[in-house]
Amino acid sequence: HLQEPDPRLLKPSETLSLTCSVSSVAITSDSYYWAWIRQTPEKGLEWIATVHRDGRRYHNPSLQSRISASVDVSGNQVSLKVTSMTITDTAIYYCARLYLGWVDNWGQGILVTVSS
Amino acid sequence: DIQMTQSPSFVSASVGDTVTITCRASQDINKWLAWYQQKPGKAPRLLVHDASTLQSGVPSRFSGSGSGTHFSLTIYNLQPEDFASYFCQQAHTYPPVSFGGGTKVDI
Repeated sequence: HLQEPDPRLLKPSETLSLTCSVSSVAITSDSYYWAWIRQTPEKGLEWIATVHRDGRRYHNPSLQSRISASVDVSGNQVSLKVTSMTITDTAIYYCARLYLGWVDNWGQGILVTVSS
Repeated sequence: DIQMTQSPSFVSASVGDTVTITCRASQDINKWLAWYQQKPGKAPRLLVHDASTLQSGVPSRFSGSGSGTHFSLTIYNLQPEDFASYFCQQAHTYPPVSFGGGTKVDI
């Protein structure tokens, strides 16, 4: 069960920090990767980052300089930081579980709005 | 990067119709393709993976096909609950993945 916090409102240049709580059973499994995906009406679904409990991280090259994703196994959490937020980063952000390449479990999504 | 191009972006249909959505990959992705359904205000739901394997619980009126660079999702006998948006996703580069732009199926 992936849970994300409540909607967020940020100003341009601020840093977004999101944390997703996941089950202790799933997060200790080597079978799963954990992803952050965002969605806008203009660009649709955009992959942001994927992490594994063993520390492997993969970031979208177009966002790489501004993003950092991580897994906290002991805390049963997956986290995302995006620095220097702009209006174009306004989106619904999802945490998601990847199994064998597919998202088999999605969080409910959190609306992040960037506005001055 | 592998680009995924879906078409059409919008399709108008009626209950009982057959609808086909296509997804094209910018390079050969074998069968590493999934389809998702998304309803307004909800997260996407996995329908098909490995191009043609229905996820557990998905009605058999959904059918995926294709390999390489051309894929399709066909919905037979369209039901009221099928009016939604559909997205394809490639996993050839997994763990990084990428999505198509989406197709909205509307009445």
